[in-house]
Amino acid sequence: EDQVTQSPEALRLQEGESSSLNCSYTVSGLRGLFWYRQDPGKGPEFLFTLYSAGEEKEKERLKATLTKKESFLHITAPKPEDSATYLCAAAGGTSYGKLTFGQGTILTVHP
Amino acid sequence: DVKVTQSSRYLVKRTGEKVFLECVQDMDHENMFWYRQDPGLGLRLIYFSYDVKMKEKGDIPEGYSVSREKKERFSLILESASTNQTSMYLCASSGVPQTYEQYFGPGTRLTVT
Repeated sequence: EDQVTQSPEALRLQEGESSSLNCSYTVSGLRGLFWYRQDPGKGPEFLFTLYSAGEEKEKERLKATLTKKESFLHITAPKPEDSATYLCAAAGGTSYGKLTFGQGTILTVHP
Repeated sequence: DVKVTQSSRYLVKRTGEKVFLECVQDMDHENMFWYRQDPGLGLRLIYFSYDVKMKEKGDIPEGYSVSREKKERFSLILESASTNQTSMYLCASSGVPQTYEQYFGPGTRLTVT
């Protein structure tokens, strides 16, 4: 059974304090690793797709990386507007089109 | 940009009512999904569809049904709403070639009283 685990559950940072969110996955034949941002009361917003170990993607202050067992979302010099829940999801080779989601990390950035 | 819209942002229904939640996507995507999201339980897949008139059960289909008569529209039906179906309902779609890249709608917050 595919599994995705995110840590920490919650993370509080000061503005400008860089950190990383972790996503550990166990899937058969990874087809993709996905990161989403979700603001309170809204639907998840797509951020990145990573397909193979060693791949990296960047967007503004966010950088996502992938190894054979984990993905990291690095946040450099965060701002209060980066506060949100960040969801990680994995697609395995036996589940066409379907994603397995982690529980999410709630990020709060204080000014 | 992919756009997924849902018929209502907030909905309040009474126990026993039949409830329709509608989702429309404008990217000609083949795949559409319905999730519910609850605190502490994360996103759970209710039903999904790979093509018009096709449907597959997800992880928690009990108490729900779906309809997909047109490619762009995917409806979730609660035949007889119950209080334990109070939740945030999210629709998503995906298509080729990025088959697994799902795009979500804004969500419907359903309260059953």
